[in-house]
Amino acid sequence: QSVLTQSPSVSGAPGQRVTISCTGSSSNIGAGFDVHWYQHLPGTTPKVLIYGSTNRPSGVPDRFSGSKSATSASLAITGLQAEDEGEYYCQSYDSSLSGSVFGGGTKLTVL
Amino acid sequence: QVQLQESGPGLVKPSETLSLTCTVSGYSISSGYYWGCIRQPPGKGLEWIGNIYHSGNTYYNPSLKSRVTISVDTSKNQFSLKLSSVTAADTAVYYCARAAYYGSGFYLDYWGQGALVTVSS
Repeated sequence: QSVLTQSPSVSGAPGQRVTISCTGSSSNIGAGFDVHWYQHLPGTTPKVLIYGSTNRPSGVPDRFSGSKSATSASLAITGLQAEDEGEYYCQSYDSSLSGSVFGGGTKLTVL
Repeated sequence: QVQLQESGPGLVKPSETLSLTCTVSGYSISSGYYWGCIRQPPGKGLEWIGNIYHSGNTYYNPSLKSRVTISVDTSKNQFSLKLSSVTAADTAVYYCARAAYYGSGFYLDYWGQGALVTVSS
């Protein structure tokens, strides 16, 4: 059971918008710790999509955006493309555990 | 371009020590940043193992802390992971990554390709 909770799966048709949620608690997201998002495509290495809850590294398309509120965070993907299909993970810091924690991952399927 | 490459035995016997070396190219470990180890068991999500700074300062996942040692060799631009008393539950793809501190935590901005380590007799 992950400290950060993500829905196991989400799907959408090409061109659509999907959101992936990450729910935490008062010892991590709710305590103000930043959330970071990673994309893990089949056969590739994980890649950071969003850092500091809302920031995109250079090279990441603006179709990807992050937000944070209270004890949860969200990753939004607009203009869904077939190559977006893969696993998405959130990450934050937990003060009770004194360490970094990942969500369980959300599998994105492009219909 | 920062690149990381994991190396080490792909098969480890139960109760023995797993060893993994991460070689960094394109960036000097001594120049800064933390360097981290993450793993992903088959069919499961990512798990943070720990981070190390070039000075040797370390942070470990509390659930693994009693069995984990991460060390750094700046002369070789490498850092290493040792995980003792392994069981089948430690079978995973092990990743090396660069950890960039931001605000109140860190994120992993460069990753290695990953190395599958199987624990089996």
